[in-house]
Amino acid sequence: AQSVSQHNHHVILSEAASLELGCNYSYGGTVNLFWYVQYPGQHLQLLLKYFSGDPLVKGIKGFEAEFIKSKFSFNLRKPSVQWSDTAEYFCAVNRGSTLGRLYFGRGTQLTVWP
Amino acid sequence: GAVVSQHPSRVICKSGTSVKIECRSLDFQATTMFWYRQFPKQSLMLMATSNEGSKATYEQGVEKDKFLINHASLTLSTLTVTSAHPEDSSFYICSARARMWGGGKETQYFGPGTRLLVL
Repeated sequence: AQSVSQHNHHVILSEAASLELGCNYSYGGTVNLFWYVQYPGQHLQLLLKYFSGDPLVKGIKGFEAEFIKSKFSFNLRKPSVQWSDTAEYFCAVNRGSTLGRLYFGRGTQLTVWP
Repeated sequence: GAVVSQHPSRVICKSGTSVKIECRSLDFQATTMFWYRQFPKQSLMLMATSNEGSKATYEQGVEKDKFLINHASLTLSTLTVTSAHPEDSSFYICSARARMWGGGKETQYFGPGTRLLVL
């Protein structure tokens, strides 16, 4: 069974629409959570991360994510997307005891139409 | 920000040959590097964890004799695909974890990936 689930495989939006990408994980215990973005032809870049503290984390380019421990979720949001946000988005989880190893969801392809 | 490079960016080889992929952290020391494999339209699958000066730790199902990993220095890890076969064709990505003192909220920085095609 997949341990990190991204529910949406492909999301298509118009510019200025709001975005929410789901991510759920199935590990118990301490986790660190990440969202990475992969623009076409480029390598993975960190969007934001959560280790502890405020469950609402803000990242680059206007993205934010909320950690809801009771739901094992870490959904990514952006109030108004732009054409340049077209990319693949990956949720990743590091289990606290695994020395940095990241486990990725299968990714969500976001296409934003101008 | 931290930069990780991979070389080559793409390689085509004949079945049965071995291919070496290099992963370098350019402006920081990486105590740990990770190797991933990504199939089209699928997620990154962690293959192994490479610690400088010690043997790599492989994920379940990954053949350590097939995918040889060497982490000889704090800035270089290599992945050698031995006796490559067409089913080994994939996108191989490395990441490096920055060395941090006092515990820490370290982040992995990813390389651009290497596209391997085995004919």
